[in-house]
Amino acid sequence: EPEVTQTPSHQVTQMGQEVILRCVPISNHLYFYWYRQILGQKVEFLVSFYNNEISEKSEIFDDQFSVERPDGSNFTLKIRSTKLEDSAMYFCASRGDGRNSPLHFGNGTRLTVT
Amino acid sequence: AQSVTQLDSQVPVFEEAPVELRCNYSSSVSVYLFWYVQYPNQGLQLLLKYLSGSTLVKGINGFEAEFNKSQTSFHLRKPSVHISDTAEYFCAVSSYNQGGKLIFGQGTELSVKP
Repeated sequence: EPEVTQTPSHQVTQMGQEVILRCVPISNHLYFYWYRQILGQKVEFLVSFYNNEISEKSEIFDDQFSVERPDGSNFTLKIRSTKLEDSAMYFCASRGDGRNSPLHFGNGTRLTVT
Repeated sequence: AQSVTQLDSQVPVFEEAPVELRCNYSSSVSVYLFWYVQYPNQGLQLLLKYLSGSTLVKGINGFEAEFNKSQTSFHLRKPSVHISDTAEYFCAVSSYNQGGKLIFGQGTELSVKP
């Protein structure tokens, strides 16, 4: 069964540094998402992306965050200047066309900001 | 706006016992409902979904859930749990007009003991 893949599985960075989290969605999917889960808390929506543009973003997704689909397969989340509170598990998800297509999630990237 | 409440943060049960994980939602529009499971150090895996039709939906690993519109609930059940069901379970909702964005509950940690 096709999977959403995320790299790296674990990223450690220093406060103030830029990080790029990478995702390869399922190949025929059209809608892409980033979620995050701070340790011990609920999974929170960050941003959705369709047709090469952001379709919705949450309050968390401020100017420090950006997303890009640089080619036909990758979907990236960039954090320009990381803060300690950005430490979390970041999940990428994708879904196919149709309102009721479920989201398929990757295994996540654990970001640790020191 | 939608919200999801999972009433139990932790549910300890013995192996082969039945279990119910509770989920209530609020929404002013019609919704789709989902249960996802997260095994340790893994991503989110879809257990089951309610889109329309029969209010009792069956998912993977012997789980089922019942949509109750009058009580705005979508409780997850399994008649006999296994040690391998130990995981975090998330209830989620999306609305017809929100482009597939999921709103998650806080999660319920199911711990199955021998």
